[in-house]
Amino acid sequence: DAGVIQSPRHEVTEMGQEVTLRCKPISGHDYLFWYRQTMMRGLELLIYFNNNVPIDDSGMPEDRFSAKMPNASFSTLKIQPSEPRDSAVYFCASSFWTGSGEQFFGPGTRLTVL
Amino acid sequence: KQEVTQIPAALSVPEGENLVLNCSFTDSAIYNLQWFRQDPGKGLTSLLLIQSSQREQTSGRLNASLDKSSGRSTLYIAASQPGDSATYLCAVNSGSRLTFGEGTQLTVNP
Repeated sequence: DAGVIQSPRHEVTEMGQEVTLRCKPISGHDYLFWYRQTMMRGLELLIYFNNNVPIDDSGMPEDRFSAKMPNASFSTLKIQPSEPRDSAVYFCASSFWTGSGEQFFGPGTRLTVL
Repeated sequence: KQEVTQIPAALSVPEGENLVLNCSFTDSAIYNLQWFRQDPGKGLTSLLLIQSSQREQTSGRLNASLDKSSGRSTLYIAASQPGDSATYLCAVNSGSRLTFGEGTQLTVNP
């Protein structure tokens, strides 16, 4: 298995633009997680899905952020409009079962908003 | 709210030394604890997963222990090598999310 795949790996955009990050989880995994990593706040969970259904989005910072999982092999995290403070590394992870399942992380997308 | 603390924040050792990284958490109601490695500019690599019912896990030169009642875990690295240089992150799974510590930045000098 290729592991969790994320695209793009790097994104540079200007304030106010829409940004879409993409993730393909490991085949067969039931859970998908979106995390954000910053120097100030470390790694934080934004949202997670179980069987394509959003379960907990309490970590989503504000309405500018939205996430979807239209099928078991694809998820998107969208920021509209983007702001400089959204600059961070965004990670996607997947697991079989959140209760005791090991989470596997993708390589991340480094987002810079100018 | 679960809080995870890692000590020390940074550690520099000569090659060949055995070392211990520490992780503590405030809420003992956990499903498991996971240790990760992160290289600069890279993603997270899972090193070891300890279920709440387990006391320790071993993988090669790595050994992780868990004392759930006291809210502590340690990662022991034997015979350290320059290639072990990275940031090590501890993450606690409380059922719906991983809560991460801030990490220990390890440098192993040749």
